Amino acid sequence: EDQVTQSPEALRLQEGESSSLNCSYTVSGLRGLFWYRQDPGKGPEFLFTLYSAGEEKEKERLKATLTKKESFLHITAPKPEDSATYLCAAVPSGTYKYIFGTGTRLKVLA
Amino acid sequence: NAGVTQTPKFQVLKTGQSMTLQCAQDMNHNSMYWYRQDPGMGLRLIYYSASEGTTDKGEVPNGYNVSRLNKREFSLRLESAAPSQTSVYFCASSSGAETQYFGPGTRLLVL
Repeated sequence: EDQVTQSPEALRLQEGESSSLNCSYTVSGLRGLFWYRQDPGKGPEFLFTLYSAGEEKEKERLKATLTKKESFLHITAPKPEDSATYLCAAVPSGTYKYIFGTGTRLKVLA
Repeated sequence: NAGVTQTPKFQVLKTGQSMTLQCAQDMNHNSMYWYRQDPGMGLRLIYYSASEGTTDKGEVPNGYNVSRLNKREFSLRLESAAPSQTSVYFCASSSGAETQYFGPGTRLLVL
């Protein structure tokens, strides 16, 4: 069964304290791995797409990496405005269906 | 360029009432999706439309129907609302299996 698991469920960091969020996936062939940010009361906002193991993407303080079994979202020197829920989703080969994880709620304290 | 729009933003229904959630996109995307989001459950796919004229069931389709009215619009209908359908509903669109872009959501409360 296709499945995506995110950890931890929640994370509190001090401003400037770097950390990583994990997304483990089990799908029948990976078409793409997607990361989103979701602020309270809003829809998910696209961050990154990764397609193959070894691929990396960066945007400001965020860096996403991909292996054959998991993806990491590294947050370097976070700021309070980085507080949000981060979602990952895997798309199995031959489908249009996103399989979402339950997200990691990140809180960055000033 | 509005992206994905959803109406209404918030709705309260009584058990047994019906309603239609509307979604429109202006990005010329072929594929459109309806999700529900519940605490601790993540985003779950209700129905999707890979292209105009086609619709398919997702993970949790029971109690819902959809209509792909044209390339831009994809509606979700609750024929007889139940308290278990209290949720936040998101519409999304994409070009095939590429990046999905989400609307702002509809918050539905069924009493």
